[in-house]
Amino acid sequence: AQSVTQPDIHITVSEGASLELRCNYSYGATPYLFWYVQSPGQGLQLLLKYFSGDTLVQGIKGFEAEFKRSQSSFNLRKPSVHWSDAAEYFCAVGTSGSARQLTFGSGTQLTVLP
Amino acid sequence: DTEVTQTPKHLVMGMTNKKSLKCEQHMGHRAMYWYKQKAKKPPELMFVYSYEKLSINESVPSRFSPECPNSSLLNLHLHALQPEDSALYLCASSQVGWNEAFFGQGTRLTVV
Repeated sequence: AQSVTQPDIHITVSEGASLELRCNYSYGATPYLFWYVQSPGQGLQLLLKYFSGDTLVQGIKGFEAEFKRSQSSFNLRKPSVHWSDAAEYFCAVGTSGSARQLTFGSGTQLTVLP
Repeated sequence: DTEVTQTPKHLVMGMTNKKSLKCEQHMGHRAMYWYKQKAKKPPELMFVYSYEKLSINESVPSRFSPECPNSSLLNLHLHALQPEDSALYLCASSQVGWNEAFFGQGTRLTVV
C-alpha cells in the first residue's frame, strides 16, 4: 500500500526567506505525486503535480518541487515566501489502476513571520 | 469552469435529523469523491464514484449514504449522525483514470 510522510508538522519562516517542505513517499510503481495547499476552513488547491518526465516541476504561486526517485522524495520549494503563503500544505501520492485515489501525508503547517 | 461547488458551506444538525450535502461540477469529470477531514488532519477518502457508479466505499458507516444522480452531481445523505462525525466534508472530481483531483471548498458540519 502507498504512504506519504511529511516529517515537519510545523515550519516557521520569515517573509522573504526561502522555504522547503519535505515529503517522502512509499509506492511500488511509478508514483503520481501532488502538493496541495489549504487555507483555514477552505478546500484544497492543487499547487503542482508530477506524473513523469522532467523531475523539476513548476507550479502556481511561484512554487516548485523536485522528484528524486533514489530518495523517494518530492520536496516543495519556494525562493521567497510571502505572508499569504501561510497555510497547511499536503503532499499526496496517487494510485494507478481504474479506481484512482489519493493518499495524503499528515500535512505541514506553515507560519510566516513579518 | 474549473470549480467544484459545495452546498451548504456550513451545516448544524441534531443527531435525529436527516440532511444532505450537495456537490456540483461542470468540468466533464466522470469520477467524483467524498472526503472527510477532521481538524489538523489530512482528508480521508470516504467514497468514489466512477461513471455514476459507486466504485469505492472505505468502510463508511451506513448513516452516510452517497448518491450520484448524474455526471455533474454528487450528494451525501446524512441520517442519525454522531457528534464525532463533525468535520469538514470535501467533494472532489477528476477525469476517470487520473489522480489530479479538483476540490470544493467543503461543508463544515457540526452535529449537536
